Amino acid sequence: EIVMTQSPATLSVSPGERATLSCRASQSVSNYLAWYQQKPGQAPRLLIYGASTRATGIPARFSGSGSGTEFTLTISGLQSEDSAVYYCQQYNVWLTWTFGQGTKVEI
Amino acid sequence: QVQLVQSGAEVKKPGASVKVSCKASGYTFTAYYIHWVRQAPGQGLEWMGIIHPSGGSTSYAQKFQDRLIMTRDTSTSTVYMELSSLRSDDTALYFCARDTRFGGFDFWGQGTLVAVSS
Repeated sequence: EIVMTQSPATLSVSPGERATLSCRASQSVSNYLAWYQQKPGQAPRLLIYGASTRATGIPARFSGSGSGTEFTLTISGLQSEDSAVYYCQQYNVWLTWTFGQGTKVEI
Repeated sequence: QVQLVQSGAEVKKPGASVKVSCKASGYTFTAYYIHWVRQAPGQGLEWMGIIHPSGGSTSYAQKFQDRLIMTRDTSTSTVYMELSSLRSDDTALYFCARDTRFGGFDFWGQGTLVAVSS
């Protein structure tokens, strides 16, 4: 089973700053990596797929990078509405999908 | 518009089974895989399994292999998730989600709370 490890667990940042979230896979997942944002009481929202492609309607301040085992989600110009938990997810490797444990971003 | 609408909350006793539905609309039902994901209170997301609505083929996470069944009804564009031998640690919010076909889950149901308690 592929294990996804996210760091840090919690990130406190000020409005307008940049947040950098990390996700590491226990083995290579190529670029089969997605990022989600989840706010309290809501379903997750797809932000990034293919490690770096923004999903429909996602602002340009969200960007993803990486391949293999190391991935990064960068949120530039943080806004209060970006307070949420962010999850990475590897998909379709050996027909399994795995989420990381999440990073809570506090603005 | 694409919508996934799930059935309502359930309360079950340990050892019982629960069946949650997810009705799709706004797109061609048979063209997209559907996943089930759960989230225990205050915890992260856990992938459970996938079903292809066209042929009904499924793949489950190993931890659920012996007590999870996913089915679909193409006449009503509905997929079902049935989890048996429920335990207290199965208490969670259960989501269905549509696979984009190019990576990730783009539309999600509203979630169904399943509470397991004696």
